[in-house]
Amino acid sequence: DQQVKQNSPSLSVQEGRISILNCDYTNSMFDYFLWYKKYPAEGPTFLISISSIKDKNEDGRFTVFLNKSAKHLSLHIVPSQPGDSAVYFCAASAPGEYGNKLVFGAGTILRVKS
Amino acid sequence: KAGVTQTPRYLIKTRGQQVTLSCSPISGHRSVSWYQQTPGQGLQFLFEYFSETQRNKGNFPGRFSGRQFSNSRSEMNVSTLELGDSALYLCASSLGPQGGREFFGPGTRLTVL
Repeated sequence: DQQVKQNSPSLSVQEGRISILNCDYTNSMFDYFLWYKKYPAEGPTFLISISSIKDKNEDGRFTVFLNKSAKHLSLHIVPSQPGDSAVYFCAASAPGEYGNKLVFGAGTILRVKS
Repeated sequence: KAGVTQTPRYLIKTRGQQVTLSCSPISGHRSVSWYQQTPGQGLQFLFEYFSETQRNKGNFPGRFSGRQFSNSRSEMNVSTLELGDSALYLCASSLGPQGGREFFGPGTRLTVL
């Protein structure tokens, strides 16, 4: 039962264009969402997050949009750069009395071509 | 601040053996979580420790266990290894058990032959 789904295993984008990575979730209790980026041989690094009380959060070239009614979030990267080529994981968490855990999607491989 | 460190980085074991992986969180972080990453499956949550107590557990068999020490360092143990346990095991630390932003180590690549 995958509560967080990234339906696109890979995405290829030209340098300078917009990259849009999508993520869907099923658990309505999720109230915090994050995007992580992962390079080979390294652990995931935090990119950007959004609370369920917001519908948009921006940080430089990265913007995350949240559509709660559709249980959908997306990460926009503008403009895309070759260094953005990595695996992007969407993650979500729900509040819990006994601590929290992050539920991750399977990841999307982004390739930015120069 | 030094980041999350994991040892060893690479490990090769055979079926039936056991293995212990180690994680040192960022200084001041008291929550440590463990994840298993396999191709196509993303990161699967194993367990979370805070103040030496397991606070949350994922859907893994009892062969997977862990513990946390008073200095917040954590170990993960897998007994009776199976071929399917081959994966990248990631440790993440955060300030507390309130979820949100976690900082990941580079992982331990376990190969079971």
